[in-house]
Parts: sequence; C-alpha cells; structure tokens
Amino acid sequence: KNQVEQSPQSLIILEGKNCTLQCNYTVSPFSNLRWYKQDTGRGPVSLTIMTFSENTKSNGRYTATLDADTKQSSLHITASQLSDSASYICVVSATAGTALIFGKGTTLSVSS
Amino acid sequence: GAVVSQHPSWVICKSGTSVKIECRSLDFQATTMFWYRQFPKQSLMLMATSNEGSKATYEQGVEKDKFLINHASLTLSTLTVTSAHPEDSSFYICSAPGEVNTEAFFGQGTRLTVV
Repeated sequence: KNQVEQSPQSLIILEGKNCTLQCNYTVSPFSNLRWYKQDTGRGPVSLTIMTFSENTKSNGRYTATLDADTKQSSLHITASQLSDSASYICVVSATAGTALIFGKGTTLSVSS
Repeated sequence: GAVVSQHPSWVICKSGTSVKIECRSLDFQATTMFWYRQFPKQSLMLMATSNEGSKATYEQGVEKDKFLINHASLTLSTLTVTSAHPEDSSFYICSAPGEVNTEAFFGQGTRLTVV
C-alpha cells in the first residue's frame, strides 16, 4: 500500500532556531517527492520537488534531502521565523500526472 | 506560473441544500483535475479524479451521487455537494497536475460549513 509517514506530528521551536522534519514513504513506482507548506485554511504551497536522482534541493532557508534507497526524505529549516509556523506536508507522486499521496503533515509552531 | 483558481473560498449553507465549487485552470489546459478534502488537523485526502469529457473516478468510500463532478471543458471542473449535511463541513481543494516531474497546481481551497 502506498503510504507517506511524517514525523514528528507537531513541533514547537524558538524563533531563530533550526529544525528538521522527517518523511518516510512506501510509494512505488516512485516519480518525485515534494514538500509543501500549508497555512491554515489555504492551499498547499510548493517548497521543493525532487526526482529519483536528486539528493538535495534548497529553496531559501528550506533544504530538502532525499534518499531513494531508504525511501526517506527530510526538510531542514534554517533560522526559523514566526512566519514559518504552518503545516509541512511531504507528498509523493507514484507516476507523473497521477494523484499525489499526502503525508499527514508536521505542524510547526515558531514562537518568539 | 500556472494558476488554478477555486471559487468560492468559503461558503455556509443549510442542511439539505447543494453547493457547487468551481476549479479553473487560468493559463493552461487541464485534462485531469483532482479533488481533495481535508478535515481539521488531518491531511488532504483524495476524493476523486476529474477527467475532461468523461466520468470522474471516485475513491473508495466517496459517494459519487453525493459529490457530483463535472469536467466539461479543459479549464473548468466543478464539484457539487448535494443534499449537504453538517458532516460534509470540510476544506475542499482542487489540484491540476503539471507536466512530468513539475509542479502540481492547487486551488486556494473552499471552506464549506453546513449548518
């Protein structure tokens, strides 16, 4: 069964600190893995997208890694800001153009 | 970049009435659109796949007679929640896939509250 598991479920950090979110998947065949940021009541916004051959991709203070062998990914947030408070969702695509498989997300709260 | 526009962004309706949600691809043609539902503090769950010119494909457990999907053109897909009940209150989002390994484009979402 295609699944995407994320950890931790929630996380609270102080402004300026770094954090790392984890994602494990069992989706096959694998096309790509995406990290999205979703603010409450809004649609997801893409942070990064990685294919099988990519190990790391950065987008500003966000850096995603992918290990296709172990089927694990991480999202590292550097120097967190209050505006980083949101749900971060790991999403895997089995084949291009098909529906995405969503993890349950990690809720990040950044406090001052 | 490509944009998917979803309307309305929020709606409140009475039990027993029907609500239509529109999802438009503004600058590209979408032969396929996906409809998701998200309950509070939960992940997006695929409800159905909308295909232009043909019947939608529904996920297991989703009532096709309750959630009517129409994809009559390459730029418009609609989801109609018929005879809405309070348990249908949720956040509904549409999405259109991009090209191979590119972005998936999401609508802004619709917050439905049935009273």
